[in-house]
Amino acid sequence: TQLLEQSPQFLSIQEGENLTVYCNSSSVFSSLQWYRQEPGEGPVLLVTVVTGGEVKKLKRLTFQFGDARKDSSLHITAAQPGDTGLYLCAGGYNAGNMLTFGGGTRLMVKP
Amino acid sequence: DVKVTQSSRYLVKRTGEKVFLECVQDMDHENMFWYRQDPGLGLRLIYFSYDVKMKEKGDIPEGYSVSREKKERFSLILESASTNQTSMYLCASSFIRLQSSYNEQFFGPGTRLTVL
Repeated sequence: TQLLEQSPQFLSIQEGENLTVYCNSSSVFSSLQWYRQEPGEGPVLLVTVVTGGEVKKLKRLTFQFGDARKDSSLHITAAQPGDTGLYLCAGGYNAGNMLTFGGGTRLMVKP
Repeated sequence: DVKVTQSSRYLVKRTGEKVFLECVQDMDHENMFWYRQDPGLGLRLIYFSYDVKMKEKGDIPEGYSVSREKKERFSLILESASTNQTSMYLCASSFIRLQSSYNEQFFGPGTRLTVL
């Protein structure tokens, strides 16, 4: 089983602050996905990165895939209460048909 | 709008009972997955299926079985529920990809199972 370590596990910040969530592994993945899960719902895909060194932006969220395709980071600029949720990274293998999930980062943004 | 539905949001069962969790997707996806989600452990794969009547064990299949008689429906069965199976169960589906490096999984809302 390929493992993905996410850090931090919990993060509580004030509205307007910046934050970074990390996702690390000793394994190489064909892709790295980030999902967000809100209470009472299943995870929803935010972004997929597939090339080493790739950077993708989604409004205030910036996602980066490590050069060696073993790690990724999610940076949120000027966090808002609507960003509150559980963020999960997932490494793809087997042509991306299978995913290994990290333990998740629970983010709370206080107004 | 794509949709994965699960039969129950909340379920309370007693130790030793047989439990059925149903999942239906309307996207004509080949792949279907059952995960359990526990705090700090992320999602762990129990079983997956890439076609009707086909199933493969995931990382934690012990104590579970599955059934896929129709393409749109994937059932998770706990033959004899135990307290350590208290968890959130998530179903997901996706198209099968053969020449791609990535794929998106679509999730249902989850079933929170409590075994007393």
